[in-house]
Amino acid sequence: AQSVTQLGSHVSVSEGALVLLRCNYSSSVPPYLFWYVQYPNQGLQLLLKYTTGATLVKGINGFEAEFKKSETSFHLTKPSAHMSDAAEYFCAVSDREGGGNKLTFGTGTQLKVEL
Amino acid sequence: DAGITQSPRHKVTETGTPVTLRCHQTENHRYMYWYRQDPGHGLRLIHYSYGVKDTDKGEVSDGYSVSRSKTEDFLLTLESATSSQTSVYFCATRPTSGTNTGELFFGEGSRLTVL
Repeated sequence: AQSVTQLGSHVSVSEGALVLLRCNYSSSVPPYLFWYVQYPNQGLQLLLKYTTGATLVKGINGFEAEFKKSETSFHLTKPSAHMSDAAEYFCAVSDREGGGNKLTFGTGTQLKVEL
Repeated sequence: DAGITQSPRHKVTETGTPVTLRCHQTENHRYMYWYRQDPGHGLRLIHYSYGVKDTDKGEVSDGYSVSRSKTEDFLLTLESATSSQTSVYFCATRPTSGTNTGELFFGEGSRLTVL
């Protein structure tokens, strides 16, 4: 069974500071990994994904994440936070083997950006 | 973006009444999913469908049923709503493609309150 752990349900950073949102996963097979963002009263939007190949993945809005198999981690980073980055972020894992490719989500991290 | 429409977007109902949420997609995606989102739990899978009349249970399926009579429509029914089913419900779809990386596209959500 797959699982995702997001450390820190709330993260607060200053505008211009580094954003680091942590995600660790558990999977019996090499997984596909995703980060989604949710703005208030909206659905989820894909930020980036790792499927295969290069372990450093770049996404939209300046975000990137690195797949580290040895650490079973897929942490999300952005060098300089902007006020518009305030949102909830979800890490998710999908089993490559099929089964409808169901995504298993973490519990989410609410990012607050302060002036 | 996949054209995914959820209806109703907001609903208030009373305990014991039946409720049906509708998800309509215009992208001819094969796979469709219903998730519920609750604080501290992230998104949890209720049911999913891998084709017309082909559905299966997710991790929190008790008290819910689904139907898919057409590719474009996926209905979620609460036969007798309870207060524990107060939540935000998201429909998601996934295209069938050669890469099969599991990325989901989400609707805007349906907020259900059971009094």
